[in-house]
Formats: sequence, C-alpha cells, structure tokens
Amino acid sequence: AQKVTQAQTEISVVEKEDVTLDCVYETRDTTYYLFWYKQPPSGELVFLIRRNSFDEQNEISGRYSWNFQKSTSSFNFTITASQVVDSAVYFCALSEASNAGNMLTFGGGTRLMVKP
Amino acid sequence: NAGVTQTPKFRVLKTGQSMTLLCAQDMNHEYMYWYRQDPGMGLRLIHYSVGEGTTAKGEVPDGYNVSRLKKQNFLLGLESAAPSQTSVYFCASSLSGTGSTNEKLFFGSGTQLSVL
Repeated sequence: AQKVTQAQTEISVVEKEDVTLDCVYETRDTTYYLFWYKQPPSGELVFLIRRNSFDEQNEISGRYSWNFQKSTSSFNFTITASQVVDSAVYFCALSEASNAGNMLTFGGGTRLMVKP
Repeated sequence: NAGVTQTPKFRVLKTGQSMTLLCAQDMNHEYMYWYRQDPGMGLRLIHYSVGEGTTAKGEVPDGYNVSRLKKQNFLLGLESAAPSQTSVYFCASSLSGTGSTNEKLFFGSGTQLSVL
C-alpha cells in the first residue's frame, strides 16, 4: 500500500529564512509519481510540481527547489528566502502506476508560517 | 474557464439528513475525484470516476454514494449524515489518470460541511 509521511506538522520561520519541508513515501511500485500541492489560507489547492520515479533530477523554480532521493524514499521541498506569502499548508502526494494513477495519496500536510 | 466548480461552499446538516454535493468541470476531463480533508490527515479519496457512467471506491467510501451521469458532473451524496462526516470536501478532475505523462489534478475550492 502506498503511504506518504510529512513528519513536520507545523513550521514557523522568519521572513527571508530558508525552510525545508520533508516528505517520505512508501510504495512497492517501481514506477510512481510524486506531487507537491500548496493550500493557502483561502483554501484552494494549487499544484506546484510533479516528479516521475524514473526522473531523479532535482528541480528549481525560482525560490522553490525539490530534492528527490529514491535511496531514502524522500521528496523534500525547500523554499529559499521565504516570504509571508509562502504561508500555507503544503501537501506531498504519491500515485502508483499499478493503479493507473487513480489513487493520489496525500501526506498529512505541513503548515508553514512565515512571520515578517 | 471556470475549471472545477463545487456547490455549495458551506452547509450545515443535522444528523440523519441527506444532501448532495455537486462538482462540475468544464475542461472535458475524463477523471473526477472526491476527497475529504480532515486536520492532520491530509486529503483522503472517497470515490472516483474514470469516465461518464463509471464510479469506483477510494480509501474512505463508507457513508457516501456518487454518480457520474454526465461527463462534466460528479455528484457526492450523503444519505444519512453523521457527525464523523464533518469535513472539508474537495472535488478534483484530470484529463486522464495521474499515470499519464505530466498529468495532474485540478481541484475545486472546497465545501465545508458540518454535521451537528
């Protein structure tokens, strides 16, 4: 069965600090897909990134970067020079190829608070 | 485009009452999903549909029914609401399953349901 663990339930940082959100996953599939979503205070879910299991390249998008390590089953998310607008709940999610990607399993989320 | 639209946005029910949540998408997506979000538990899949006229159970289907009579609509029904169904409900859609290249879920803005 697939499982996603986000051990950090809440993180508080001061603006301009760097912060890393951890995500550890479990799956028996060799092909799977990992996602990060952002949920700002307004409540909607915003897609941030998708990573396929066969692509271990790390990715950078502006102040956001993602570190995918199959050896430790982790897909961590780093925000550089955090801003107040980054305050949100962040979800990591996993989908397995064996169920045709029909079941997206979410972690419990990490609430990030960025203080001015 | 409106994307994924959920109605209503808020609802309060008494135990034993029934109601239907409506999800509509205008992106011609084949796949549609219903999730519930509870504190600390992330989002959990209730039911999903891979096309018009089809539905399937997700992780937490008990107490809910769904129908997909039209491609653009996915209805979630509570026949006899219970306090344990107090939650935020999210509908999502995707063109195909997340197993497809670069596929991701698009989410509605959520429905806050309280069962007293």
